[in-house]
Amino acid sequence: AQSVAQPEDQVNVAEGNPLTVKCTYSVSGNPYLFWYVQYPNRGLQFLLKYITGDNLVKGSYGFEAEFNKSQTSFHLKKPSALVSDSALYFCAVRFDSNYQLIWGAGTKLIIKP
Amino acid sequence: GAVVSQHPSWVICKSGTSVKIECRSLDFQATTMFWYRQFPKQSLMLMATSNEGSKATYEQGVEKDKFLINHASLTLSTLTVTSAHPEDSSFYICSARDAVEAGGGETQYFGPGTRLLVL
Repeated sequence: AQSVAQPEDQVNVAEGNPLTVKCTYSVSGNPYLFWYVQYPNRGLQFLLKYITGDNLVKGSYGFEAEFNKSQTSFHLKKPSALVSDSALYFCAVRFDSNYQLIWGAGTKLIIKP
Repeated sequence: GAVVSQHPSWVICKSGTSVKIECRSLDFQATTMFWYRQFPKQSLMLMATSNEGSKATYEQGVEKDKFLINHASLTLSTLTVTSAHPEDSSFYICSARDAVEAGGGETQYFGPGTRLLVL
């Protein structure tokens, strides 16, 4: 079955430290992977995606993610966290030819000053 | 680029009334739009996929007669919650994909969401 897992409900990081938000997937064929961020009472903002090419993808606000085919992972990373990065982060994988996405459950990222 | 708007952002209505939510792609043509529902502290639940000029495809368990979707143009899709009841209270989010975007239009761009409260 095709699925996306975000194993951590919440991640706490001190400001200035590196952060990682984990995502693993199970999908047939070549995966198209996405990260989105959601601030309170707001819609989702696109951060980055992996379609093909370099495994390390750079996105908005200094975030990056590394596609690891052998580990079926697409972890989101940032070298130095900001308090303003505190939000809900969703990983998603394209499901089918109709461009539907399978969504992870979301990870709440809290950056403490 | 790739901005999607939703209107209204908030709506409070009485039980039994209908509410229309608009989703617009402001700077691109959206051949496909998606409607999601999000419950507090939960992930997104896809309600339906809407292709311009054709009938929407509803996910299992979503009542098509209750959640009417119209995608009459390449920049506008509407979701009408008919005869709304308190259990329909939720955060509704639309997204759109740009079919001519470089890379095949894989990215969904999201509206800011509409919070519906049915009294």
